[in-house]
Parts: sequence; structure tokens; C-alpha cells
Amino acid sequence: GENVEQHPSTLSVQEGDSAVIKCTYSDSASNYFPWYKQELGKGPQLIIDIRSNVGEKKDQRIAVTLNKTAKHFSLHITETQPEDSAVYFCAASSMNTGFQKLVFGTGTRLLVSP
Amino acid sequence: KAGVTQTPRYLIKTRGQQVTLSCSPISGHRSVSWYQQTPGQGLQFLFEYFSETQRNKGNFPGRFSGRQFSNSRSEMNVSTLELGDSALYLCASSPDRGGSGELFFGEGSRLTVL
Repeated sequence: GENVEQHPSTLSVQEGDSAVIKCTYSDSASNYFPWYKQELGKGPQLIIDIRSNVGEKKDQRIAVTLNKTAKHFSLHITETQPEDSAVYFCAASSMNTGFQKLVFGTGTRLLVSP
Repeated sequence: KAGVTQTPRYLIKTRGQQVTLSCSPISGHRSVSWYQQTPGQGLQFLFEYFSETQRNKGNFPGRFSGRQFSNSRSEMNVSTLELGDSALYLCASSPDRGGSGELFFGEGSRLTVL
């Protein structure tokens, strides 16, 4: 089955710096890659997603890149702010098995210091 | 629009007991998925229901079961509780239209097994 690895497990940056979180997946059939942000005491919330027919997607300060050949995808956050501090999860799924059946990475705890 | 509502938010059980958790999806959402979140195993897919039918299942033992009602509300049940079942159980709903991938998570039910 699918396996998703995520690095780093923790990431500390200064406000205004950029943050990059990387994930790799194993199943070449995976074609949907969302990123979720989880704040303390809350459920995960989708921040951006990308499908396998696209190499890059941007939404304001957040961008995601996908390299299908290498089975890598990454989250880029620019001009980080203290409110970006949270745990971020990458995930993968396949339209064949249903996009609701997400395989999550182990999470990255991002701390943005003022 | 109200979000995904999960009840109870916190509960404590002892080994061998059983527990039922409830989830009310966002109005109009027909798909409900359940995930288990633990520090050791991370976020793991349990099952997904659509139109009162289990459409997808993860790799959990038969002690974990669920159902969905005609109004899309869902329940999950864990029988013969074990210490390792202590976790945050997250419910997520999705409209399941047009291939949209976003899952809307509730805040979870935190189960402690003593």
C-alpha cells in the first residue's frame, strides 16, 4: 500500500523567513496530494492541494510543487507569520481508491518566532 | 454554515468496554470518513461512508465498525476496548461532487482507555 514520508519533523524559523516541508510517496497510482494544517485542539484544515497533472500551485504565501517522476512533493510558505505556527501534514490518495482514503505523513511541527 | 460536529469531545473508558462516537457532517455533505490520530501512528484512515454504505475501509480490526444514517450522520463503534485504542478520533465530511478533494474535519473525540 501507499507510504508517505515527511521531513522535517520539526522546523523553527524566524518571522518573515521561508519554510519548506518535503514529502515522498511510494505508490505511483496516487494522484491527489493535499496539505493540511492542524492547530492545537482542532481538526486538520486543508490549506492547499495539487493533482498529478499539475507541477506547481500557488495561493498567496503558500505554494506546493510536485515531481511525479521522483515521487516528491513539497510545501513552501513564504513570509512566515507567528499564526503559521501549527502542525502540517502532507497526504496522498488515489482517485481509484477514493480521495477520502488519505495516507498521511507523520507531520511537521512549524514554530515561527516573532 | 455549521461545521462538522463530533460528540462526545472527551471520554474515558476501561479496557473491555465499548464506545460509540457520533459525527454530524456539514449540511449537504454525503460522505463521512473517520480517522484515528495517535502520537505513535499519526493519522490513519478507518473507513468512509457514502449514502449509508461503507465505501472504503482501512486496515483496522473488526472491533472498529461504523454506520451512516439516511441524514448522513455517522457513528463509529469500538468494542472490547484496548489500551492502544486511546486516540483522537476525527470525523471528516465531503460533498463528493465533481471530484473535489477537500475533507472538512471536526475537532475530534478524544478517547482515553484505562
